[in-house]
Amino acid sequence: GQQLNQSPQSMFIQEGEDVSMNCTSSSIFNTWLWYKQDPGEGPVLLIALYKAGELTSNGRLTAQFGITRKDSFLNISASIPSDVGIYFCAGRGNEKLTFGTGTRLTIIP
Amino acid sequence: GAVVSQHPSWVICKSGTSVKIECRSLDFQATTMFWYRQFPKQSLMLMATSNEGSKATYEQGVEKDKFLINHASLTLSTLTVTSAHPEDSSFYICSASRDRTQPQHFGDGTRLSIL
Repeated sequence: GQQLNQSPQSMFIQEGEDVSMNCTSSSIFNTWLWYKQDPGEGPVLLIALYKAGELTSNGRLTAQFGITRKDSFLNISASIPSDVGIYFCAGRGNEKLTFGTGTRLTIIP
Repeated sequence: GAVVSQHPSWVICKSGTSVKIECRSLDFQATTMFWYRQFPKQSLMLMATSNEGSKATYEQGVEKDKFLINHASLTLSTLTVTSAHPEDSSFYICSASRDRTQPQHFGDGTRLSIL
């Protein structure tokens, strides 16, 4: 099945650093979603974006829905140890979600 | 708190066994639920869309006779992996949303290991 291009594939950062990741698609989506997945668990919704150009924050997380409706980015400010995990973007056209390839975030002590 | 519950969380069984996984929406009715499969270090791949009161819609390449889906009520969908073999070992995750305008929420997944 189709997957969205998500980058970077992995990140190694120090605690306190800011993080940025993005997702691109060849198709237009009506909704962009960002999820975080911890090992052995299901994805947890972080931010949902519904309009092109929309910029939404959830605590230290900020995400934007690209103007072209084909891309989105997620920023995490002042990273903390519990931010470790895999982040997935997902685009929704009708009801189905298409997931990105994931960004694995590791915090170096 | 969790809005989608999945059971069991882990199953280990012998090859040839059929395994049933349940997905429940806890505080809302879901006419549509989704089933995904995730292999290690990979993304989630949609297997099928479960529709309450009607047949499930399967994605290309997913065998409907192998992965039986039943959505008998507005809060419960089940996935049965029939005659499971080692290649069916994977992490299976379900999701549901309150309506088409709301984001999908995911269960905690079921790790299936076939020996």
